[in-house]
Amino acid sequence: DTEVTQTPKHLVMGMTNKKSLKCEQHMGHRAMYWYKQKAKKPPELMFVYSYEKLSINESVPSRFSPECPNSSLLNLHLHALQPEDSALYLCASSQVLRRTGGPTDTQYFGPGTRLTVL
Amino acid sequence: GENVEQHPSTLSVQEGDSAVIKCTYSDSASNYFPWYKQELGKRPQLIIDIRSNVGEKKDQRIAVTLNKTAKHFSLHITETQPEDSAVYFCAASRGFQKLVFGTGTRLLVSP
Repeated sequence: DTEVTQTPKHLVMGMTNKKSLKCEQHMGHRAMYWYKQKAKKPPELMFVYSYEKLSINESVPSRFSPECPNSSLLNLHLHALQPEDSALYLCASSQVLRRTGGPTDTQYFGPGTRLTVL
Repeated sequence: GENVEQHPSTLSVQEGDSAVIKCTYSDSASNYFPWYKQELGKRPQLIIDIRSNVGEKKDQRIAVTLNKTAKHFSLHITETQPEDSAVYFCAASRGFQKLVFGTGTRLLVSP
């Protein structure tokens, strides 16, 4: 299995809702990522998990809460979002070439969840 | 932190022509440079990557060149086809699983 899967494909939520995005990979990768992509812009890194521990948080607002329950799963919990948070949320995974401070390996992206906040 | 500039923002070519997209990075410690292709509504897909110990890499119609001294790298697509039409993103990383993307190039290949 060489795919990263994401659910749901589309999500519409109000500003007071709580929802979660889910990502799964079965490639044995030990790094998983959340990116945010606005229309006609590049992906922007939000979070990196390495060996199920949060290693990078790019100063993301606390209304986004990541969780890595095991090496195959990555969740993004959403609460009290704003309309400007509407975007494509991409998950990615990669090998970890060295446990600390190693070079970056190829990142494989999931199809994304298109989020609309009303 | 790392900053990656990408040019041109839009590139139109005729089928069969070559296309070249250029990126410049700021962090001399960057050592990994992937290129992604993203079709409308789809996920970014890796098409080729290069590490700093290599100057050039080729895969069929696609090649990437890296000039570490000048801190720039380029994507070359030969014999372009309409299915090459997409947005192409370069990226750079100095490690720690952190990629910084360029702003993207919209490539349009006309039949």
